[in-house]
Amino acid sequence: DVKVTQSSRYLVKRTGEKVFLECVQDMDHENMFWYRQDPGLGLRLIYFSYDVKMKEKGDIPEGYSVSREKKERFSLILESASTNQTSMYLCASGVAGGLQETQYFGPGTRLLVL
Amino acid sequence: AQKVTQAQTEISVVEKEDVTLDCVYETRDTTYYLFWYKQPPSGELVFLIRRNSFDEQNEISGRYSWNFQKSTSSFNFTITASQVVDSAVYFCALSEQNNDMRFGAGTRLTVKP
Repeated sequence: DVKVTQSSRYLVKRTGEKVFLECVQDMDHENMFWYRQDPGLGLRLIYFSYDVKMKEKGDIPEGYSVSREKKERFSLILESASTNQTSMYLCASGVAGGLQETQYFGPGTRLLVL
Repeated sequence: AQKVTQAQTEISVVEKEDVTLDCVYETRDTTYYLFWYKQPPSGELVFLIRRNSFDEQNEISGRYSWNFQKSTSSFNFTITASQVVDSAVYFCALSEQNNDMRFGAGTRLTVKP
């Protein structure tokens, strides 16, 4: 079974703090993704990576950065957290072969920025 | 541009009823992929099905079935004899080649005992 884990299920941070969300997958997948999920908006892609040290912007990259130093780990960084970044963050991984491949998701991190 | 519409925001049914979740998509590509995911209260999206644009055959998996109709750009999902454990948010998604996956807003299904 594919296993995607996220470092925290719930996180509370203050405005202006630097926030790290970690994601690890154990299936040797090339592709990894970060989404945010908000009510009525579904999932929106923040960043994705198709290889180590490679990253691509998704639909809403502003205010975020990512890091992929190892194949199994993909980190999402909020350089200076703001209240509008309060959301559910979902990490996913998938095999190479295009972004149309099935993605497998972690349990999500609920981030509250005060 | 891609777009996925799940017009039903919330659906509530009583156990053992059949329920259909609608998904309508927009794309100009001839090659694309459609997905359904389930998000139970635990939060993790669970993959249910992936279908490419060249395969219009309907699929059945236990109590789940999917009706793909290119003529109406729809990929609807039916749960037969619903159960309380089916309560979740269901997402339909579309992916074109070399393009990221686009999700609908989701449909929250509540199955009451």
